[in-house]
Amino acid sequence: DAKTTQPPSMDCAEGRAANLPCNHSTISGNEYVYWYRQIHSQGPQYIIHGLKNNETNEMASLIITEDRKSSTLILPHATLRDTAVYYCTLNDYKLSFGAGTTVTVRA
Amino acid sequence: EAQVTQNPRYLITVTGKKLTVTCSQNMNHEYMSWYRQDPGLGLRQIYYSMNVEVTDKGDVPEGYKVSRKEKRNFPLILESPSPNQTSLYFCASSSFGYRVGYTFGSGTRLTVV
Repeated sequence: DAKTTQPPSMDCAEGRAANLPCNHSTISGNEYVYWYRQIHSQGPQYIIHGLKNNETNEMASLIITEDRKSSTLILPHATLRDTAVYYCTLNDYKLSFGAGTTVTVRA
Repeated sequence: EAQVTQNPRYLITVTGKKLTVTCSQNMNHEYMSWYRQDPGLGLRQIYYSMNVEVTDKGDVPEGYKVSRKEKRNFPLILESPSPNQTSLYFCASSSFGYRVGYTFGSGTRLTVV
C-alpha cells in the first residue's frame, strides 16, 4: 500500500520556485518525511528530511503541516538541472518509492 | 569520497547463468538494501540488511539471494536469472544513528536474454 501520494507531473519555469506537494495521511508519530530525486536513470539523491518542523538546506526547503498529513518540498529558484523525478517517502528502513512527481523545468 | 559502489554497471547474460552484482560502501553504514526499478513500477525493495549476518526480504525477493558477511559489502545473487529480472538495480546504504537519508549507488543495468 502506498503510504504517500504525489501528483504525477508538474512544470516549472526556470528561476521560479517549484512547490511539490505530498500527502501522507497515515503517517505515524515517529516517521520522518524524506525527499529524494532521481535524474534520468542515476541513483536517487537525498534532498532533505523532517519530522514536524520546517527544514531548509542548500538544496530545498521542506514544509510539513501541523497535523503532519502532508508536506511540500520547495525548490526556491528552479534551474534546468532540477529536472528530475522527485520522491516523497516515509523512511522506515523498508524504504519504497512510488512513482514520484516528474518535474520539468523549462527555460 | 563517501560512496556506494556497484559493479558491474551494465551486464547482459543468458537465462539460467548464475551472476552476482556487488555492492560496497565506505561509510561504515549498518543498513544496506537492494532495489530494482522498472518502468511504471517505481523503485521496489528486494532485500535489506540491518547489520552483518542480518538480512530480510523486501517487497520482491523471489529469484534473488543476498549475504552480509562484512559490514561494507552486500552482494546480490541471481542463482538462475530469468528474462523477467531484466531491470535497473540500485544498492543503497544508511546509518541508523544519523538520519541523513540513504546513499545510492549508480545502478546496474541487467539484461537477461
